[in-house]
Amino acid sequence: EDKVVQSPLSLVVHEGDTVTLNCSYEVTNFRSLLWYKQEKKAPTFLFMLTSSGIEKKSGRLSSILDKKELFSILNITATQTGDSAVYLCAVNNAGNMLTFGGGTRLMVKP
Amino acid sequence: DSGVTQTPKHLITATGQRVTLRCSPRSGDLSVYWYQQSLDQGLQFLIQYYNGEERAKGNILERFSAQQFPDLHSELNLSSLELGDSALYFCASSAGTSGYTGELFFGEGSRLTVL
Repeated sequence: EDKVVQSPLSLVVHEGDTVTLNCSYEVTNFRSLLWYKQEKKAPTFLFMLTSSGIEKKSGRLSSILDKKELFSILNITATQTGDSAVYLCAVNNAGNMLTFGGGTRLMVKP
Repeated sequence: DSGVTQTPKHLITATGQRVTLRCSPRSGDLSVYWYQQSLDQGLQFLIQYYNGEERAKGNILERFSAQQFPDLHSELNLSSLELGDSALYFCASSAGTSGYTGELFFGEGSRLTVL
């Protein structure tokens, strides 16, 4: 059974801090790893990673995948209150089925 | 706006009842996925349809069933409802072609409360 574990469960930081969110996984027939941000309702897509060592970057957010050690990290620099959300990691297997981790709840205080 | 439409947004019903949740995928997407999100379980995959056919099944209870119609919209039927079925039910869609590794686009969800 595919498994995704995220850490920490929750995190409280102040604006301007840098945070690192972790995602480890076990999956048969790995296809990709995806990061989503969930604020109030629908998860919204952040990144998709398929290759090890290649950093994906979007503004203050970046992510990298290590397929040998089976983990990924999501970094957020210069955090803002608008970054407060639950961040979800998911792995896509050969069946195009996304298995999600439990999420990391990030709160950014002014 | 992801382009995925779910109805109803909120639903309150009693134990033992049956409800139907509806999902219209993004234009052109052939795959529809259903997920259940409850407070203590995170996002749990229920079932996937591709172009009208069931493609993958996750932790879906026997009391639950789904289908995808020729116009590609999908319905999730929940019957003999129990208190523990209270959750946010998400529909997501993707192009879903063989070998597709890409993102899913999520609807806003249907919040079901069973009293």
